[in-house]
Amino acid sequence: DIQMTQSPSSLSASVGDRVTITCRASQSIRTYLNWYQQKAGKAPKVLIYAASSLQSGVPSRFSGSGSGTDFTLTISSLQPEDFATYYCQQSHSTPVTFGQGTKLEIK
Amino acid sequence: EVQLVESGGGLVQPGESLRLSCAASGFTFSSYWMTWVRQAPGKGLEWVANIKQDGSETSYVDSVKGRFTISRDNAKSSLYLQMSGLRAEDTALYYCARVTGYDDGSGRYYRDVWGKGTTVTVSS
Repeated sequence: DIQMTQSPSSLSASVGDRVTITCRASQSIRTYLNWYQQKAGKAPKVLIYAASSLQSGVPSRFSGSGSGTDFTLTISSLQPEDFATYYCQQSHSTPVTFGQGTKLEIK
Repeated sequence: EVQLVESGGGLVQPGESLRLSCAASGFTFSSYWMTWVRQAPGKGLEWVANIKQDGSETSYVDSVKGRFTISRDNAKSSLYLQMSGLRAEDTALYYCARVTGYDDGSGRYYRDVWGKGTTVTVSS
């Protein structure tokens, strides 16, 4: 199985900050990487698919990059509604696997 | 409005069975792969099972193989998860999600529509 490791596990930041979350795969997954946001008590919501494609309706302050084993999710200017937990997920092979999550908290 | 609504969760004892349902609306259900994803209390997301549009292909995470069965009824726009031999470690919020393919023709996919989930608790 492909292991997905996110860093950091938690992060404190302020409104307006630029934030980067990293996801590393245990083997190459090309660009088969998705990012989800989950707010407390809510279902996950897809932000980015195929490493860098912005899902329809998602604000442009979210962006994704990377290929192979190393990927990043960047929020260019944090907004109050962005405080949540973020998960990466590989769709290269079955079983689909998720990172352990990065909890983004208000500083 | 595109919507998925799960039901069927509850409190069961170890070894018992439960059937989860997911009712889809607002899209052509028979055109999409569908999936179940679970989240144990305070933990991350775990993929459970996938099913192809016509039900001809299914796949499962190793920890549920032989115990869980995913199925669908396209005429009713419904997805199911039959769970048997339940264990304490199956305790989780179970989400139904729609699977959408990348637009690059790679055959890879992501989960673009999620339900609110149904809670399964396995405890004596």
